Amino acid sequence: KNEVEQSPQNLTAQEGEFITINCSYSVGISALHWLQQHPGGGIVSLFMLSSGKKKHGRLIATINIQEKHSSLHITASHPRDSAVYICAVGGGSEKLVFGKGTKLTVNP
Amino acid sequence: NAGVTQTPKFQVLKTGQSMTLQCAQDMNHNSMYWYRQDPGMGLRLIYYSASEGTTDKGEVPNGYNVSRLNKREFSLRLESAAPSQTSVYFCASSETLAGAANTGELFFGEGSRLTVL
Repeated sequence: KNEVEQSPQNLTAQEGEFITINCSYSVGISALHWLQQHPGGGIVSLFMLSSGKKKHGRLIATINIQEKHSSLHITASHPRDSAVYICAVGGGSEKLVFGKGTKLTVNP
Repeated sequence: NAGVTQTPKFQVLKTGQSMTLQCAQDMNHNSMYWYRQDPGMGLRLIYYSASEGTTDKGEVPNGYNVSRLNKREFSLRLESAAPSQTSVYFCASSETLAGAANTGELFFGEGSRLTVL
């Protein structure tokens, strides 16, 4: 079974800082998801990637297949970015394995 | 743009009572899922439906049953609720299986908070 580790577990930043959240997994995958869970509880998909890099606004996700590692970067962080960020990996089937999440707090 | 709609949002049950969580998606997705989220743990798959007419067990299926009523709807039933089933439940859908590259992006409902006393 794939093991997914996220770091850090908690992260506090000042508005404007560059944020990096890491995700490591133990077994080769077909796809990696980055999800955002808002304080109200709703979950939205940020990225799904299988190689390389994707960018959406101030968010950038990268994946290194050889090193079994992905990073989520947030540039020019803002208090509205405060949320739990979740990494999940899949091996081509339905059974994603989820990390426990990284709680990000961005202070004004 | 409703996306994934699940009901109810909150429910309190007594041990032994039954209930059904309803989920519907309007994106014509093939795959649907039920997850539970507990403090300190990642989301865990209860049951999934890869396509209309099929359902399969996930990681933690005990105590639950599901029905894929049609392509839109996927319900989760607790026949005899137990305190261990106190959790937040999320329904999700994707075009194809969530682990598949490119087409497995997940869309989540808002969650249902269930408390079993």
